Amino acid sequence: ELKVEQNPLFLSMQEGKNYTIYCNYSTTSDRLYWYRQDPGKSLESLFVLLSNGAVKQEGRLMASLDTKARLSTLHITAAVHDLSATYFCAVDRAGGTSYGKLTFGQGTILTVHP
Amino acid sequence: SQTIHQWPATLVQPVGSPLSLECTVEGTSNPNLYWYRQAAGRGLQLLFYSVGIGQISSEVPQNLSASRPQDRQFILSSKKLLLSDSGFYLCAWSSQTSSYNEQFFGPGTRLTVL
Repeated sequence: ELKVEQNPLFLSMQEGKNYTIYCNYSTTSDRLYWYRQDPGKSLESLFVLLSNGAVKQEGRLMASLDTKARLSTLHITAAVHDLSATYFCAVDRAGGTSYGKLTFGQGTILTVHP
Repeated sequence: SQTIHQWPATLVQPVGSPLSLECTVEGTSNPNLYWYRQAAGRGLQLLFYSVGIGQISSEVPQNLSASRPQDRQFILSSKKLLLSDSGFYLCAWSSQTSSYNEQFFGPGTRLTVL
């Protein structure tokens, strides 16, 4: 059974600081996704990582994937209040098939304060 | 562009009552469709997925069922709701023609069972 674990589960950051959220998974996969969820809202796709060494960046967020270590990171640079949200990583169980099923991590609740 | 709709947005139902939640996707054909539940506090649990009309796979045994009567319509049902059915229900779609399984989520239905 695939398990996906994120840490930390809660992250309180000061504006302007840097931090990293980690996502570990238990079985082989080369597809990993990061999503953002604002309170009471649905999930918004942030990044799709499809191969070992993949790195994607959007604004102050950068995601990377190490399939050998079964680890993905979401790095936050110079945090701002607008980044406050819950961040989920999700791993595709099906690998190469077209209807893969995602297993989600528990989510990391990020709060950025002045 | 593709859009995904869910209704109702919120629902309060008594224990033992029936349930019907609807999800429709526009702007794409033959999508993979998914139902997730997010309990208070956070993780997402995959309930059902479908790769075509009338094709439903269940992930978790429970008193819920799903149906796909049309290509872009996905329905979640129950004959008798339990207290434990309360949660945030999210429908998602992904493309069967894409080489990866990025899933796009609807706005969700918040269900409270009293």
